[in-house]
Amino acid sequence: ETGVTQTPRHLVMGMTNKKSLKCEQHLGHNAMYWYKQSAKKPLELMFVYSLEERVENNSVPSRFSPECPNSSHLFLHLHTLQPEDSALYLCASSQGVDPYNEQFFGPGTRLTVL
Amino acid sequence: DAKTTQPPSMDCAEGRAANLPCNHSTISGNEYVYWYRQIHSQGPQYIIHGLKNNETNEMASLIITEDRKSSTLILPHATLRDTAVYYCIVRVYSSASKIIFGSGTRLSIRP
Repeated sequence: ETGVTQTPRHLVMGMTNKKSLKCEQHLGHNAMYWYKQSAKKPLELMFVYSLEERVENNSVPSRFSPECPNSSHLFLHLHTLQPEDSALYLCASSQGVDPYNEQFFGPGTRLTVL
Repeated sequence: DAKTTQPPSMDCAEGRAANLPCNHSTISGNEYVYWYRQIHSQGPQYIIHGLKNNETNEMASLIITEDRKSSTLILPHATLRDTAVYYCIVRVYSSASKIIFGSGTRLSIRP
């Protein structure tokens, strides 16, 4: 247990569906991240939130929409996804976005888009 | 961004030391070397990090060369539970929030 939880752990959705991924951290951190891990590819950073403000967006398609209502919760809203968006989506948190701060990862949500 | 190069796969006998190399020849003076590992279908797990000096914790040791262009992660007594993909990462100071993961080394521990 890292103190970062993600729900659901598995999700299957059609291309016309709208769904949301949820992440919650119990560590008192103030920065949260979304990563995508496709099969046989390196982890890709998608979004970074610091003090509930988005500080980084790595050219992610608009069909992925993040939301950070408070420092403990992070959502990733999904709509009109493509099959190539099937991947493991990982949430992480850290205390500050200082590069020397350790990021704690959740277990991930395995997403399959049909 | 400093890039890292790791062998795609390695194997090690259970109970022996596993030595995982990493090259980071373009590392800058303020950049740290971090190691994470990812066991199948789980999130990455932090292992250890260092700047110049060798570091040791309950999980592993990190040896960084004097010129800082390469490092080695050492798992002193590998077990089957150490089977995972190991990522060597250099933190990018100018992009304060990024962890840039490469392809990593898939370590297999044989009984």
